[in-house]
Amino acid sequence: DAGVIQSPRHEVTEMGQEVTLRCKPISGHDYLFWYRQTMMRGLELLIYFNNNVPIDDSGMPEDRFSAKMPNASFSTLKIQPSEPRDSAVYFCASSLRPIDRAKNIQYFGAGTRLSVL
Amino acid sequence: KNQVEQSPQSLIILEGKNCTLQCNYTVSPFSNLRWYKQDTGRGPVSLTIMTFSENTKSNGRYTATLDADTKQSSLHITASQLSDSASYICVVSQSNAGNNRKLIWGLGTSLAVNP
Repeated sequence: DAGVIQSPRHEVTEMGQEVTLRCKPISGHDYLFWYRQTMMRGLELLIYFNNNVPIDDSGMPEDRFSAKMPNASFSTLKIQPSEPRDSAVYFCASSLRPIDRAKNIQYFGAGTRLSVL
Repeated sequence: KNQVEQSPQSLIILEGKNCTLQCNYTVSPFSNLRWYKQDTGRGPVSLTIMTFSENTKSNGRYTATLDADTKQSSLHITASQLSDSASYICVVSQSNAGNNRKLIWGLGTSLAVNP
C-alpha cells in the first residue's frame, strides 16, 4: 500500500479564498483523522471518522472548517473563507482500530502546508 | 487539566552519543502512551506504544520506559545516528466510558545529531 496520500503538498492562497485539502487513507482502515500542526500548539486533532461517519469534531476551530468523508477511500477538509491564522501544516492519518486502543497505530500522510496570505 | 509536557524542548548531541528525552503527563484516565518520530517535512511515525502494565519497550536503538505511578515516560536513544535528527513527540491516550476517547499530544523535543 502507498500509505496515506494527501494533496496538495503545498497550498498558498489569499485571505477569504476557499481551500480544500484531500486525503486518501490506507485501504481497509476504518478510522480517519484530520490534524493541524503549528509551532505554538503542536498537533491538534480536528475531527475523526469511523466508517465514514464523523465521531468527534470538537477540535474543529469554527464554522469556517468542514470535513467530509463520502466514501471509505476519500476525505476532504475545507476552509471557507480562509484566514491568515489558518496557516499551518494539516495532516491526515488513518488506523485500523479505535483511537485509544493499545494496538492502534495511526499512519500519517506527508501533510499539506497551507499558507494564507 | 489533561496535559503532556516534554523536556527538553530541543537538544543537540554528537553522533554516536546517547540521549534521553522526558515526558510527564497528567492525563486521566490513562489508556496508553506512545512515542512518535517526526522527520522534517514528514508526518509522525510511531516508535513505541506502552500500556499501563508495561515498564519498558524497545524498538531497535530506541527504548521507552513508563512509570505509571509518577506519570513519567522517557525515550532513550542509543548510539545516535545522523538520521535520528527529528522531533520526538509523546502522546497519551485518554479513555473514558463511552466514546470519549482522546489523544493528548506533547509539543515534542527537537533533536539534532551533529557529526
